[in-house]
Amino acid sequence: EPEVTQTPSHQVTQMGQEVILRCVPISNHLYFYWYRQILGQKVEFLVSFYNNEISEKSEIFDDQFSVERPDGSNFTLKIRSTKLEDSAMYFCASSKGTVGANVLTFGAGSRLTVL
Amino acid sequence: AQSVTQPDIHITVSEGASLELRCNYSYGATPYLFWYVQSPGQGLQLLLKYFSGDTLVQGIKGFEAEFKRSQSSFNLRKPSVHWSDAAEYFCAVGEEYGNKLVFGAGTILRVKS
Repeated sequence: EPEVTQTPSHQVTQMGQEVILRCVPISNHLYFYWYRQILGQKVEFLVSFYNNEISEKSEIFDDQFSVERPDGSNFTLKIRSTKLEDSAMYFCASSKGTVGANVLTFGAGSRLTVL
Repeated sequence: AQSVTQPDIHITVSEGASLELRCNYSYGATPYLFWYVQSPGQGLQLLLKYFSGDTLVQGIKGFEAEFKRSQSSFNLRKPSVHWSDAAEYFCAVGEEYGNKLVFGAGTILRVKS
């Protein structure tokens, strides 16, 4: 069964450093997403991406965050200058169409620890 | 704005017992409803979804859920729980042409033998 793959599975970084989290969505999917889950809290929407541009973003997704689809397969989340509160599990997801009638397939997540 | 409430943070059931996990949503139009499960160290796996039609939906691993519009609920059930069902369960709601899912806080299921 097709799956979404994420790397790295775990990254430890120092506060203020840049981090790039990588995702390979399912190949025939057109919509891509990042969600995060701070330990013990809800899974929160960060951003959705379609046709090479952001289609929606949450208020969490400030100027420190950016997303990119640098080639035909990868989808990345960059955090420019990490803060302690960025420590979380980051999930990438993809779908064929918009959320309503389409299922999001999630990756296993990338755990980010900011020290 | 959409919201999802899962009133039970933790639930413990005995193996072989029945299970019901509660989910209430808030959304003005017809909701698109999902249940995901997250095992330790794993990603979010879709259990089942409701888009329209029959209000009782069947999912994987023997789970089912019933959409009740009058109660704004989408409770997850399983007639006989297995030890491998121990995990965290998330209810989520999406918009028809939207770009995001809104998740509940999750319910951690413990199964005792």
